[in-house]
Amino acid sequence: EAQVTQNPRYLITVTGKKLTVTCSQNMNHEYMSWYRQDPGLGLRQIYYSMNVEVTDKGDVPEGYKVSRKEKRNFPLILESPSPNQTSLYFCASSLPGRREQYFGPGTRLTVT
Amino acid sequence: AQKVTQAQTEISVVEKEDVTLDCVYETRDTTYYLFWYKQPPSGELVFLIRRNSFDEQNEISGRYSWNFQKSTSSFNFTITASQVVDSAVYFCALSEPRNTGGFKTIFGAGTRLFVKA
Repeated sequence: EAQVTQNPRYLITVTGKKLTVTCSQNMNHEYMSWYRQDPGLGLRQIYYSMNVEVTDKGDVPEGYKVSRKEKRNFPLILESPSPNQTSLYFCASSLPGRREQYFGPGTRLTVT
Repeated sequence: AQKVTQAQTEISVVEKEDVTLDCVYETRDTTYYLFWYKQPPSGELVFLIRRNSFDEQNEISGRYSWNFQKSTSSFNFTITASQVVDSAVYFCALSEPRNTGGFKTIFGAGTRLFVKA
């Protein structure tokens, strides 16, 4: 089954404790992206990757890091999480020519 | 600057009513894509439709239809004979090329649709 998977689905952590949210897709898509969803703001892009070893900032990259060492994986790293990073996070993938994105199930992160 | 406005925050209808979700966008690019996504109460995001800026044909898919009008920068979504299963948050989105390659997607704030039995 074609899908985007994210882990963990739920995470409660404390300020400053480094964490990684994994994202993997099995559709051989070149393009992957991370978004955060906050009430009243829709989804905002954090980082995106056009292919292996090619990443760039989206609209709200502060406090996040990403890497793309393999085509299928695109982990999101929070080196020192803060409460304002409490949010619902989505990973997505697509073929660049198609543009429509296929989303993972989401990761609800709470930073206390 | 790019912008997607979904002015309706919440809409409530009774089953079998028709409902239209509005989407207005702003862009300086001549080449762009527009999308609608559905987020049901379970939380996942589901792609519904893509339309590129050169294709102003309206589209119908079952009870869903989309009206794209470049003259008014609108891409509205109509659900005919709504059903309870249509209850969800619906997002309109705009995608443009980035200067550095790839593309940028801007989402509207979403419209929450309640369909009552």
